[in-house]
Amino acid sequence: SQQGEEDPQALSIQEGENATMNCSYKTSINNLQWYRQNSGRGLVHLILIRSNEREKHSGRLRVTLDTSKKSSSLLITASRAADTASYFCATFGWGANNLFFGTGTRLTVIP
Amino acid sequence: NAGVTQTPKFQVLKTGQSMTLQCAQDMNHNSMYWYRQDPGMGLRLIYYSASEGTTDKGEVPNGYNVSRLNKREFSLRLESAAPSQTSVYFCASSGGKTGLNYEQYFGPGTRLTVT
Repeated sequence: SQQGEEDPQALSIQEGENATMNCSYKTSINNLQWYRQNSGRGLVHLILIRSNEREKHSGRLRVTLDTSKKSSSLLITASRAADTASYFCATFGWGANNLFFGTGTRLTVIP
Repeated sequence: NAGVTQTPKFQVLKTGQSMTLQCAQDMNHNSMYWYRQDPGMGLRLIYYSASEGTTDKGEVPNGYNVSRLNKREFSLRLESAAPSQTSVYFCASSGGKTGLNYEQYFGPGTRLTVT
């Protein structure tokens, strides 16, 4: 399977702390994407990082990509209660026709 | 700008019944997708349409059919529903020349229960 795997499966932190989620994948990729899903809602795209990029920032989000280790991390700084959600990585492989989603990390931010 | 819309939001079917899930996007995207999401699993692709007039199977196409009605609309049909098709179904779209390797925009989902 090309699916990514997120680690940890669940994470609980206090408001104001940083949250780090990791994603590992198996095949060579064109790009890797992170999505957020609030309970009962559709997924929202957060950030896309291409295979020739090593780090990308968007507001309080920082994504790194290590293609040699086939892994990525998502860092959310200064977390807020509103960040409580599930976070998914998704990979788009070279020659592929679609994204493959991981099983997600459930983040709980305690006010 | 509504983005991606899906109807219905909830549906209960009996085994063997048929239904069509509707999806529409107003972002002029070329590509559209249907996923299912089951507890403890990520999203799995059922079918996708890279551009108007084309459709292709994804990871779990059995028991489903699709129609790309026009650039805006992409429907998913269950011909004979089975309990294993109980799931949350998401439609998504993406832009770009073919759109396949760009970020995707998701609808709110349809929660389907088959009894």
